[in-house]
Amino acid sequence: EDKVVQSPLSLVVHEGDTVTLNCSYEVTNFRSLLWYKQEKKAPTFLFMLTSSGIEKKSGRLSSILDKKELSSILNITATQTGDSAIYLCAVEAISTGANSKLTFGKGITLSVRP
Amino acid sequence: DAGITQSPRHKVTETGTPVTLRCHQTENHRYMYWYRQDPGHGLRLIHYSYGVKDTDKGEVSDGYSVSRSKTEDFLLTLESATSSQTSVYFCAITQYGPYGYTFGSGTRLTVV
Repeated sequence: EDKVVQSPLSLVVHEGDTVTLNCSYEVTNFRSLLWYKQEKKAPTFLFMLTSSGIEKKSGRLSSILDKKELSSILNITATQTGDSAIYLCAVEAISTGANSKLTFGKGITLSVRP
Repeated sequence: DAGITQSPRHKVTETGTPVTLRCHQTENHRYMYWYRQDPGHGLRLIHYSYGVKDTDKGEVSDGYSVSRSKTEDFLLTLESATSSQTSVYFCAITQYGPYGYTFGSGTRLTVV
């Protein structure tokens, strides 16, 4: 059974701090790893990492995939209160007949205090 | 945003009644998914579809069935709702490329 584990489960920081969110996985037929941010409603896409794209950056957010260690980190620098959210890690795996599906971790709740 | 809508947005129903949730997309994407989200469990896959009339089970499929008679619609049915099915249900579609999956806004279902 595919498994995705995120840590820590919750985190409280102050504005300006740098945070690192962790994700490890055990899946068969890995295809990609995705990070999502979820505020009040639906998750919104942040990054997709694959074997050919193991590092992504967008503004204050960056993510790295370590295929050897089967893990990924999401870094947020100079945090702002608007970064408060649940951060979801998901791993896409190829299932039967080349169809793919996502397995999610439980999410990391980040609270950024002014 | 990709054209994906879920209906209803909120529903309260009684134990033992059948319930159908609808996911509608205008993107002509092949793959559609139903997830449920519960505190402490994250998002868990219920069923998914890889084409019209082609569906498969996810990790928490018991008590749920799905149908996809048209590319744009993916229906999730709770045959006989139970309180354990109180949850937020998300539909998702895939956009192959650098953007991952796109989620609908969710349906909050309460079974009393």
